[in-house]
Amino acid sequence: GAGVSQSPSNKVTEKGKDVELRCDPISGHTALYWYRQRLGQGLEFLIYFQGNSAPDKSGLPSDRFSAERTGESVSTLTIQRTQQEDSAVYLCASSSSGTSGVETQYFGPGTRLLVL
Amino acid sequence: GNSVTQMEGPVTLSEEAFLTINCTYTATGYPSLFWYVQYPGEGLQLLLKATKADDKGSNKGFEATYRKETTSFHLEKGSVQVSDSAVYFCALDRASSNTGKLIFGQGTTLQVKP
Repeated sequence: GAGVSQSPSNKVTEKGKDVELRCDPISGHTALYWYRQRLGQGLEFLIYFQGNSAPDKSGLPSDRFSAERTGESVSTLTIQRTQQEDSAVYLCASSSSGTSGVETQYFGPGTRLLVL
Repeated sequence: GNSVTQMEGPVTLSEEAFLTINCTYTATGYPSLFWYVQYPGEGLQLLLKATKADDKGSNKGFEATYRKETTSFHLEKGSVQVSDSAVYFCALDRASSNTGKLIFGQGTTLQVKP
C-alpha cells in the first residue's frame, strides 16, 4: 500500500476485555515495530519484527501483551484483560530491512485505545 | 541506559521568529539521531536525521547538527510559520542494537501565532 495503515483508528473497551489492534505495513518492508504513546509522553518501544519473527520483545510491559505477524505483512497486537493504564495511542511503523538505524521508519496513524 | 531529553513545551512563538528546541541524549556507542514531527491530526513523520558526529540534517528549513562533544541534537529554524505548529520528537537508535528500534524524547509542542 501507499503507507502504513492501522485499524481500528479508535477503540473504546471495558476494563478486563481483550482487544486486537491491526497494522498493515508498507508492502515489501520486512521490519515492523509497535510503539505506545501515552498522553503527553514520548513513544515507548514495544516489539520489533523481522519478517515473521520477533527478535526483540523487550518493550512489552506485561504478559498481557502479545503480538504476531503473518506472511511478513500484517501484524496484530493483542492486549488481554485490559487495564485503564493501557489507554494510549498504539503506533505501528515499518522500514525496509530494520538492520540499520539509518533507515527511515514510516509510521501509521495509530490506534487510540481507551479503557474505561 | 540510552535516553533522550527534550525541552519542555509548549513553545509559543510569533510567525517569523527563530526557533530552537533543545535535545540531549545519553547513549553508548554512536547512535543515529532523528527529529520526527507530528502535525495535528496526522501521523508521525521523519523530519530530518544525522548518522554521525558533526553531520547536519536539514529539511523544510529546519536544521539540526549532531554534536558528540555536548551529546546534543538541537532543532533550529530561522523563521517559523503558522504551518510549523506541531509536536516535535527527538529520537535515537541504539547504536549497539541491530534492530533499528528508536528511543524517543517526550515531545515538544510548538505553537506559532500569526
